[in-house]
Amino acid sequence: EDQVTQSPEALRLQEGESSSLNCSYTVSGLRGLFWYRQDPGKGPEFLFTLYSAGEEKEKERLKATLTKKESFLHITAPKPEDSATYLCAVMQGYSTLTFGKGTMLLVSP
Amino acid sequence: EAQVTQNPRYLITVTGKKLTVTCSQNMNHEYMSWYRQDPGLGLRQIYYSMNVEVTDKGDVPEGYKVSRKEKRNFPLILESPSPNQTSLYFCASSTRTSGGGNEQFFGPGTRLTVL
Repeated sequence: EDQVTQSPEALRLQEGESSSLNCSYTVSGLRGLFWYRQDPGKGPEFLFTLYSAGEEKEKERLKATLTKKESFLHITAPKPEDSATYLCAVMQGYSTLTFGKGTMLLVSP
Repeated sequence: EAQVTQNPRYLITVTGKKLTVTCSQNMNHEYMSWYRQDPGLGLRQIYYSMNVEVTDKGDVPEGYKVSRKEKRNFPLILESPSPNQTSLYFCASSTRTSGGGNEQFFGPGTRLTVL
């Protein structure tokens, strides 16, 4: 059974068309929820860490939020350079990251 | 520049020929980890290390070995590679605190093909 589920698997947006990516999790004892961006053939690049329900973090056009069961990555007025795969991961204990399968985002001009 | 480096970046080998993928970080991080990434399966943890001489299995350790003799290095060893180990491999590192998880910094990846 998946502990981290991301949806949708793929999302195509027009430039400027805002949307949200979802990450739902079923782990207990959450010690952090992480969002990463991954470009093709490259390593994941850290975006945000969220630790408790109600927490929000922002960076440029991205905003991450966290509830007790899920996290959202909101993308406001996206640009083509925002095209990437966005990965969500949860940490249980102090060392093990469990990743979702990612959402592949394509933003068309 | 703070970074995680991996070598080689690309490797094509044959079944049974021992190989080592090196990983090095210059951030003085205690924690290091290896992942493999496969289409449809996402990133899965192979092994991790909490500090020098301390290593433990992740979700998919079969067929792999690791060692942590120095803080900055964490090599991944495939003693007898098989075609099902064809994958994209990532090394990652982070600081370690008692209060919660810290973000992991990833290397650029090693694309391995086993024929």
